[in-house]
Amino acid sequence: EVQLVESGGGLVQPGGSLRLSCAASGFTFSSYEMNWVRQAPGKGLEWVSYISSSGSTIYYADSVKGRFTISRDNAKNSLYLQMNSLRAEDTAVYYCARDITFGYETAFDIWGQGTMVTVSS
Amino acid sequence: SSELTQDPAVSVALGQTVRITCQGDSLRSYYASWYQQKPGQAPVLVIYGKNNRPSGIPDRFSGSSSGNTASLTITGAQAEDEADYYCNSRDSSGNLVVFGGGTKLTVL
Repeated sequence: EVQLVESGGGLVQPGGSLRLSCAASGFTFSSYEMNWVRQAPGKGLEWVSYISSSGSTIYYADSVKGRFTISRDNAKNSLYLQMNSLRAEDTAVYYCARDITFGYETAFDIWGQGTMVTVSS
Repeated sequence: SSELTQDPAVSVALGQTVRITCQGDSLRSYYASWYQQKPGQAPVLVIYGKNNRPSGIPDRFSGSSSGNTASLTITGAQAEDEADYYCNSRDSSGNLVVFGGGTKLTVL
């Protein structure tokens, strides 16, 4: 079964750090680009970051640039999001999502169940 | 980056057809994809590209595009289609991803 499982969420104080992980199974992880997407409570989806299959190309949303770092370990079939200098507005469910973008099409076909990050004192 | 605009809420009578739209300048260059999200669940891809449905998505879901507007059409809406629907695409640079604000679909 194709699956993504996030972990690492929790409660953190403003200014703190957290590292999220996403474990992939059921497909050749190293062949796929990956993304992090978040959803604040009661709000819509917000794209956070993208990483190419090799890890050589990375993009971030302006809202997290300079504070978050995306990475991957293809040998461990894992995706990561290091989050530093956390703010209250970073409170959200964080999803990892498999990217099947090709040409002029952008699509995330597999999503994890999400992990909740709460930034509060 | 560019924005994608969706109507906040749409309603449809059971068995009728409903169209959910997504507007944005980047849609003149890039296709939109559509996601269904039910309460407490992760999003599910329902339409991508020109008009492609992932395996397991009913054929009552279809997609189209014209100019700066992409549309998701549900032909013969069912009670289980009640959900939030989001579009996404690339921004004008082609590097970043943007999501629409979402449309809450109510099936009456």
